[in-house]
Amino acid sequence: GDSVTQMEGPVTLSEEAFLTINCTYTATGYPSLFWYVQYPGEGLQLLLKATKADDKGSNKGFEATYRKETTSFHLEKGSVQVSDSAVYFCALSDGTGTASKLTFGTGTRLQVTL
Amino acid sequence: EAGVAQSPRYKIIEKRQSVAFWCNPISGHATLYWYQQILGQGPKLLIQFQNNGVVDDSQLPKDRFSAERLKGVDSTLKIQPAKLEDSAVYLCASSESGGRNYGYTFGSGTRLTVV
Repeated sequence: GDSVTQMEGPVTLSEEAFLTINCTYTATGYPSLFWYVQYPGEGLQLLLKATKADDKGSNKGFEATYRKETTSFHLEKGSVQVSDSAVYFCALSDGTGTASKLTFGTGTRLQVTL
Repeated sequence: EAGVAQSPRYKIIEKRQSVAFWCNPISGHATLYWYQQILGQGPKLLIQFQNNGVVDDSQLPKDRFSAERLKGVDSTLKIQPAKLEDSAVYLCASSESGGRNYGYTFGSGTRLTVV
């Protein structure tokens, strides 16, 4: 079945450092790929998405490129801020129409310090 | 537009008691999902509705969990009787048909503690 593997956390960085969170996936079809963010005490918010190979999703300085050849969707940001501290989830959506649903990775906690 | 509404935000019950969670999706979203998120893990799909019909309930523990979506709008998830391992955040999400292209919107969740 479909699955998503993320690097384990926590990831601790100093403010303005470069961020990479690795994500790889296994799917039978050609999924759409997503990054969701969960701030403390809040629900899941869509950060960015990509629906086909070589697409780059971007939002709030975060980027991820859909790499079909390596089945990866790594999240990057050039300069993190303390406000980026949260848990980041990589997810895929396979299937079409009414059958599409999200399968999540286990999440990676990011802590940014001054 | 209004988001996905869930209630209650928090619930504490004793094991073997029953509990119900409510979700109201974004207006016009035909597909509704319930996810269970255990502390330190990613969300796991429990059940998926399309309008008022079930699309996927393969991961729902049917001996104790039930869900319904009457009239294809809001939905209720029930646990009876609860076990300690049911302690988790229960997330509701909705999407237009074809969420893989349009995205999925999540509510704030209900945090359940079973003692």
